[in-house]
Amino acid sequence: SQELEQSPQSLIVQEGKNLTINCTSSKTLYGLYWYKQKYGEGLIFLMMLQKGGEEKSHEKITAKLDEKKQQSSLHITASQPSHAGIYLCGAGRDNYGQNFVFGPGTRLSVLP
Amino acid sequence: DVKVTQSSRYLVKRTGEKVFLECVQDMDHENMFWYRQDPGLGLRLIYFSYDVKMKEKGDIPEGYSVSREKKERFSLILESASTNQTSMYLCASSFRGRGNSPLHFGNGTRLTVT
Repeated sequence: SQELEQSPQSLIVQEGKNLTINCTSSKTLYGLYWYKQKYGEGLIFLMMLQKGGEEKSHEKITAKLDEKKQQSSLHITASQPSHAGIYLCGAGRDNYGQNFVFGPGTRLSVLP
Repeated sequence: DVKVTQSSRYLVKRTGEKVFLECVQDMDHENMFWYRQDPGLGLRLIYFSYDVKMKEKGDIPEGYSVSREKKERFSLILESASTNQTSMYLCASSFRGRGNSPLHFGNGTRLTVT
């Protein structure tokens, strides 16, 4: 079965610093999704990547999917305390958007 | 904006009780999902449904059942709650079809079984 791995497990950065979170799959991904979760709450959808080499940005967050569609990175520029939370990558196990699987998450803390 | 609403944020039940967790979405999504989230284990898929009255087992269906009588509503049922079912339960929904669409999540129900 397809599993997703994330690195690092946790990250503590000073406000204003840049950071990168990685998501790796052993199989080709049917779309890669990035989510953010505040403690004790649901997941908020950030971005979706479908094509090899695709890159998307929203405000200070940029996500990329490699050409082989097996690795994605999430980059935050000039981090702020509001970026703190758990970042999870997710992918479908099929091309119908069903039977989704998630990575274990990366816990980000941003120190003011 | 898509809205996925879970009926309770916090729930405390006793061992052996029958527990219903309700989820409603307002975007006419075909797919609906139930996950549980536990520290160190991440999100694990319990059941999903791709249409009314249709259901598929996920990775950890034991001890759970589901019901989807209407397109907008997906219920998770714990027939006889046990302490190892204490967890955060997350419902999600999405469109079905090629090209994929993101899952949209509710705020979660934190269930404690004593």
